[in-house]
Amino acid sequence: EVQLVESGGGLVQPGGSLRLSCAASGFTFSSYWMHWVRQVPGKGLVWVSRINSDGSSTVYADSVKGRFTISRDNAKNTLYLQVNSLRAEDTAVYYCARDATLIRGVIDYWGQGTLVTVSS
Amino acid sequence: DIVMTQSPDSLAVSLGERATINCKSSQSVLYSSNNKNYLAWYHQKPGQPPRLLVYWASTRESGVPDRFSGSGSGTDFTLTISSLQAEDVAVYYCQQYYTTPFTFGPGTKVDIK
Repeated sequence: EVQLVESGGGLVQPGGSLRLSCAASGFTFSSYWMHWVRQVPGKGLVWVSRINSDGSSTVYADSVKGRFTISRDNAKNTLYLQVNSLRAEDTAVYYCARDATLIRGVIDYWGQGTLVTVSS
Repeated sequence: DIVMTQSPDSLAVSLGERATINCKSSQSVLYSSNNKNYLAWYHQKPGQPPRLLVYWASTRESGVPDRFSGSGSGTDFTLTISSLQAEDVAVYYCQQYYTTPFTFGPGTKVDIK
């Protein structure tokens, strides 16, 4: 069974940093591209970033470019999102998600999400 | 960026009746070299992450009931629930994966009348 379990969210002050993690199991993690998608509670879905299977290629939404860094450790089956220079508008649930691989850009599995709250 | 819009914002349908959700992209998501529309549909039930329903605009994901069907091409797409069930209450999102940044529609909330 595919499982994606996020952690690392919490309350952080504006300008602060967090490192979100996503532990993957139930599939060959190193073979799949991965995404981060965020959602302000009660609002819609916003794609944040994507990383290819070996970590050599990354893409970001303009709103987070230069502040967020996606990475992965295939030996640990773990996806990361380093979030720096946080702003109030970054407050959201952050979902780790698996790319459908044969259909690049389609997400076939999602984690339960981790909440990041940016507030003083 | 490709902007996705959806209509209506919400709808209430009686059990067993048809529900239709529309999605429009600001530019075509039809890739001419393979004649495929890079458009997916998800739904999200309260307190849960989204679930993939349809990709390539009309291909149902494995395990998705056949009452869900997608149609359309180019910039205009539709998701139809042929006979609404209680478990279909959710917010429905379309998404284009033609190009990054991948973008989602704002969502359509489906309720029981």
